[in-house]
Amino acid sequence: DGGITQSPKYLFRKEGQNVTLSCEQNLNHDAMYWYRQDPGQGLRLIYYSQIVNDFQKGDIAEGYSVSREKKESFPLTVTSAQKNPTAFYLCASSSMGQGFYEQYFGPGTRLTVT
Amino acid sequence: GNSVTQMEGPVTLSEEAFLTINCTYTATGYPSLFWYVQYPGEGLQLLLKATKADDKGSNKGFEATYRKETTSFHLEKGSVQVSDSAVYFCALSESYGGSQGNLIFGKGTKLSVKP
Repeated sequence: DGGITQSPKYLFRKEGQNVTLSCEQNLNHDAMYWYRQDPGQGLRLIYYSQIVNDFQKGDIAEGYSVSREKKESFPLTVTSAQKNPTAFYLCASSSMGQGFYEQYFGPGTRLTVT
Repeated sequence: GNSVTQMEGPVTLSEEAFLTINCTYTATGYPSLFWYVQYPGEGLQLLLKATKADDKGSNKGFEATYRKETTSFHLEKGSVQVSDSAVYFCALSESYGGSQGNLIFGKGTKLSVKP
């Protein structure tokens, strides 16, 4: 089945450690996105990539980094510079050629940093 | 810049009640509009969409009409069920420039349906 997978579902880290969240899609989509969700805040865009080996900062990129070495994969690293990393992280993808820009979401990773 | 405003929740209804969740937007160009639903602990699922003015999106009994004159995309359902309890997000797509295709989300409206 086609879709987006995120792993792990839950992640726990100590403050000061970097952590990488995985996102893989087999939908052959060109574009991929990372969002952060906090209670009452809706979704905020961290980074996005419209093509392999290229990515752009979103609204809240500080303290995060990404790579896009393969079309199917868009991992997100939460660095120790991120002041408040505990959140629910969502990955999404879309086909840029579709015209409607409908995004498909993964199940999310809940990160807790203590 | 572009933005989406949706009614604050939580919204609590009895089963079989009529649902309206208001959504208005500010945008340049001609965005597409979406409603997504999120069940507890899960990612977002596309509920319905509309790509141009006067289009009506519909799915699972939910409907929304793209009203350019009032810049609105209100979500409606004639008879809600307990299984509709979730958080609903209104969103628009950026329609031009380097961020073309990016979605702008409202803050979400939590719906609780009581039996």
